[in-house]
Order: sequence, then C-alpha cells, then structure tokens
Amino acid sequence: DIQLTQSPSTLPASLGERVTISCRASQSISNSLNWYQQKPDGTVKRLIYSTSTLESGVPSRFSGSGSGTDYSLSISSLESEDFAMYYCLQYATYPLTFGSGTKLEIK
Amino acid sequence: EVQLVETGGGLVQPGKSLKLTCATSGFTFSNAWMHWVRQSPEKQLEWVAQIKAKSNNYATYYAESVKGRFTISRDDSKSSVYLQMNSLKEEDTAIYYCTVSNAWGQGASVTVSS
Repeated sequence: DIQLTQSPSTLPASLGERVTISCRASQSISNSLNWYQQKPDGTVKRLIYSTSTLESGVPSRFSGSGSGTDYSLSISSLESEDFAMYYCLQYATYPLTFGSGTKLEIK
Repeated sequence: EVQLVETGGGLVQPGKSLKLTCATSGFTFSNAWMHWVRQSPEKQLEWVAQIKAKSNNYATYYAESVKGRFTISRDDSKSSVYLQMNSLKEEDTAIYYCTVSNAWGQGASVTVSS
C-alpha cells in the first residue's frame, strides 16, 4: 500500500497568513492526489484534484502543487472559514489511501 | 445540486451485520463510480470500497481490512449504493461516508460494541 505522510499534524496560524501543508507519498503517485477540507460538523469538501486543479467554487487563495512523491496545499491568505481539518488522498493505486490529516487552528 | 444521503447506521454487537444505503440525486448515477469512506473516532479517514459503473462491469475494490466481510453494491434504477457489512468488529466503529467525484454525504454513524 502507498503510505501518505502528511505534515504538520497541527498548524497554528493567524488570519491573513500564508500556510503550506505537505503530503509525501511512499512511492510515486504521478499527480494522482486530491486535497479535502473537513469542517467541525463533519462536512467534507474536495478542494483540489489531480494535484493542482481547483474545484469549482473554491476560492483562488487555495492552490496545490507537486510531483512524484511530494505534494503540497497552500492557502495564500487565511480567512476565518479556512480553520478546519485537511486531508490528502492518493488514487494512483488500490487501495486508495489518505494522509493522517492536518488541523489548521487559530494561533 | 448533488446530494448523497446515507442511512442505516446504528449500534450493533460484534459479529452481527448492518447494511448502509446511500441515496443520491443531482447527477447521472449510472455513469458514476461510487465509494465508501469511513472515519474512525480518532478522525483518521480510511477508504473502504469502490464500485464502478455498468460500462466497467460494476467492478468492485475493497480495503484489505474489510475484504471478505463487506460488500458494495448498487441499484442504478434507484440511484443508490449500498454497503453490506457482515462479521462486524469493534474496529469497524466509524462514521461511514458515501462519496462520488467531488461530493460527500453527511455520514452514517456505525458503532460496534457489546
């Protein structure tokens, strides 16, 4: 199975700050990576698919990049609604696997 | 608007069975590849199973942790996908989400406990 190492597990940040979350795969996943946001009420939303394609309706302050085994999600200027959990998912091979999550919290 | 609504969760004893249903609307279900994903009490997400469309011969795939115990199926006439869970274990306790492409349901809670 492909392991996804997501870091940091917790990310304290301030409004307006730029942050980056990392997701490292145990082998190349050829850009087959999505990013998800989960709010405290459990609602899950896909933000980015195929490494860097922004989902329709997702603010442009979100961006994704990477290749091979290393991927990242960046938020250019944090707004209050961005404080949530974030997960990466690889779909290059079965079984699909998720990162362990990053809790983005207010500093 | 895409909607996914999971039902059928609950409290069940170890070794027993439970069937989850995900009723969908707002997209062409018959062409969709459907997934079940679960989230443990520790908040870890785990992919559980996938079923592809008729054009892909309804191919199914499972996580190793549920293979042989869980069965994913679909009814295109009802735009619904199912997860039959047998021989449940305490470690199957989780919120179970139905997902497709860019949409997730609200989740169904399954607790396995004696």
